[in-house]
Amino acid sequence: AQSVTQPDIHITVSEGASLELRCNYSYGATPYLFWYVQSPGQGLQLLLKYFSGDTLVQGIKGFEAEFKRSQSSFNLRKPSVHWSDAAEYFCAVARSNTGKLIFGQGTTLQVKP
Amino acid sequence: DGGITQSPKYLFRKEGQNVTLSCEQNLNHDAMYWYRQDPGQGLRLIYYSQIVNDFQKGDIAEGYSVSREKKESFPLTVTSAQKNPTAFYLCASSIGTATYSNQPQHFGDGTRLSIL
Repeated sequence: AQSVTQPDIHITVSEGASLELRCNYSYGATPYLFWYVQSPGQGLQLLLKYFSGDTLVQGIKGFEAEFKRSQSSFNLRKPSVHWSDAAEYFCAVARSNTGKLIFGQGTTLQVKP
Repeated sequence: DGGITQSPKYLFRKEGQNVTLSCEQNLNHDAMYWYRQDPGQGLRLIYYSQIVNDFQKGDIAEGYSVSREKKESFPLTVTSAQKNPTAFYLCASSIGTATYSNQPQHFGDGTRLSIL
């Protein structure tokens, strides 16, 4: 069965430090992968997506993610975190032939001044 | 601006009462979705619709009902059969499903439902 795992429930980084949020997926074919961000009490905003081609994808707000098929991973990175990046981050994979998304449990990012 | 509008932002339900959450989109999307979000559990799919007058159950459909009479609208009713309805409910839409499964879903700002 398809699944998404985000191993880190909560991460705290200092402002200006680099960030990496982990995402592992279980999927038989080439996956369609997404990262979303959610501010408290708000909906989800798409950061970036991968479905083919270059394995390093750029997104909004200075985020990027790298697809590694051998590791079944799609980790999200940012070189320098800003206080406004504090939010919850969700990794998701599209189910084959339906477009329905399977979400990970989310990672809450806290940014220290 | 195109987008998804959910209303109300906050909703309270009494015991034995049905309540309906509204979701409207002006993105001309064919597919619409309802998710439930609980702390530490990510998002779980309740119902989805690929086209007008058609919808399918998601992973946690029990105690919920939907309708899709118009392309723009996909209301969710939380019935009295849903014994633990307190959650944050998110509506989403996308261009389509099977053919466009690489296209992202766009989300509304959610409705928080609580029990009185």
